[in-house]
Amino acid sequence: RKEVEQDPGPFNVPEGATVAFNCTYSNSASQSFFWYRQDCRKEPKLLMSVYSSGNEDGRFTAQLNRASQYISLLIRDSKLSDSATYLCVVNWATDSWGKFQFGAGTQVVVTP
Amino acid sequence: GAVVSQHPSRVICKSGTSVKIECRSLDFQATTMFWYRQFPKQSLMLMATSNEGSKATYEQGVEKDKFLINHASLTLSTLTVTSAHPEDSSFYICSARDPTSGRGSSYNEQFFGPGTRLTVL
Repeated sequence: RKEVEQDPGPFNVPEGATVAFNCTYSNSASQSFFWYRQDCRKEPKLLMSVYSSGNEDGRFTAQLNRASQYISLLIRDSKLSDSATYLCVVNWATDSWGKFQFGAGTQVVVTP
Repeated sequence: GAVVSQHPSRVICKSGTSVKIECRSLDFQATTMFWYRQFPKQSLMLMATSNEGSKATYEQGVEKDKFLINHASLTLSTLTVTSAHPEDSSFYICSARDPTSGRGSSYNEQFFGPGTRLTVL
């Protein structure tokens, strides 16, 4: 079983619609959670951290469910520029810097 | 945010040659840098953790004699792929932590370099 699992998609979303997807993780000791965005053939860039109480950043909402060990990302009012692969990242601090585990990514394609 | 650069961005080489990739933190000091590899349509896989002034810590299955890591200063880590073969062709990405970043629970955020695309013929 993979340590971090994501639905690879693609999620085809009409412009202006809402899309949501989850990421499950296997290590219950995981401490930090992030969503990164990766455009084709580029490096990942931090989209947002995921806080225990859930958090929102503009059109993006992230949730954490520790009991079921998953995080979610919701994108409202999708823009064409939201088309990308969204990487779920989980960090468990086994040492001073922790260790990032990446999901394989969920591809989102926003269509006109 | 903090800036991490990588050089070269793309390299094509013949089988059997060695390739050195540089990762630099431009506006902060990074005692720890990370090297990842990403094959097409796959996740980033951590190869090793590079520690300034000491030996790198390699992940299981990564050959330390093949992927040489040197972290000689607080702003530079290098990854050398020795005797590269076609199966080493991949996207190599480094990242660094900025220990002074004060973004709450994202204190351990990693900043990624733009990546190096290696093609071994």
